[in-house]
Amino acid sequence: GQQLNQSPQSMFIQEGEDVSMNCTSSSIFNTWLWYKQEPGEGPVLLIALYKAGELTSNGRLTAQFGITRKDSFLNISASIPSDVGIYFCAGLGTGNQFYFGTGTSLTVIP
Amino acid sequence: NAGVTQTPKFQVLKTGQSMTLQCAQDMNHEYMSWYRQDPGMGLRLIHYSVGAGITDQGEVPNGYNVSRSTTEDFPLRLLSAAPSQTSVYFCASSYGGSGYTFGSGTRLTVV
Repeated sequence: GQQLNQSPQSMFIQEGEDVSMNCTSSSIFNTWLWYKQEPGEGPVLLIALYKAGELTSNGRLTAQFGITRKDSFLNISASIPSDVGIYFCAGLGTGNQFYFGTGTSLTVIP
Repeated sequence: NAGVTQTPKFQVLKTGQSMTLQCAQDMNHEYMSWYRQDPGMGLRLIHYSVGAGITDQGEVPNGYNVSRSTTEDFPLRLLSAAPSQTSVYFCASSYGGSGYTFGSGTRLTVV
């Protein structure tokens, strides 16, 4: 399979702090996605990126499609308790299928 | 519009038993996939389908079968359950290269 490396694996931050996480791949992807998963639920799409260099925002979330097409970044500004969850990156690879990273677990301390 | 519906939500099987995990979507999506989620390993692709009558293997297909007789349904069959198949299973669907919509998952334990 196509490997996606996500870092950090986990984060513990104070409410109000900004968060940054990234995803790297050995393969080039034409689409990058970022998902959030809350306990007991399936992942929910946050942001989709379709072009190298693209910067897209969704509220307090901003994601970027790396210019090498082998990486992507997600930033969350002014974190709040409901940001808690696991964040996954996904890249569109061979067979027109999405391959997922191992996730970044985010804990926000009030 | 229910999205992606998975049943059952929870299941306990004995080693060697077989069962089918159901998945249905009402969005007329052509792409459907099955993933399993294990701690520290993210989501791994089991099987996928790009349309009715067409299926293909993903990263971890062994021990699982799929079929796609209609656009709406994409069941996953465990032929002879093993403890290594204890996991959370997610079905997802999408239209073209857009992002997947996931179901809420089936939590399977094989004892």
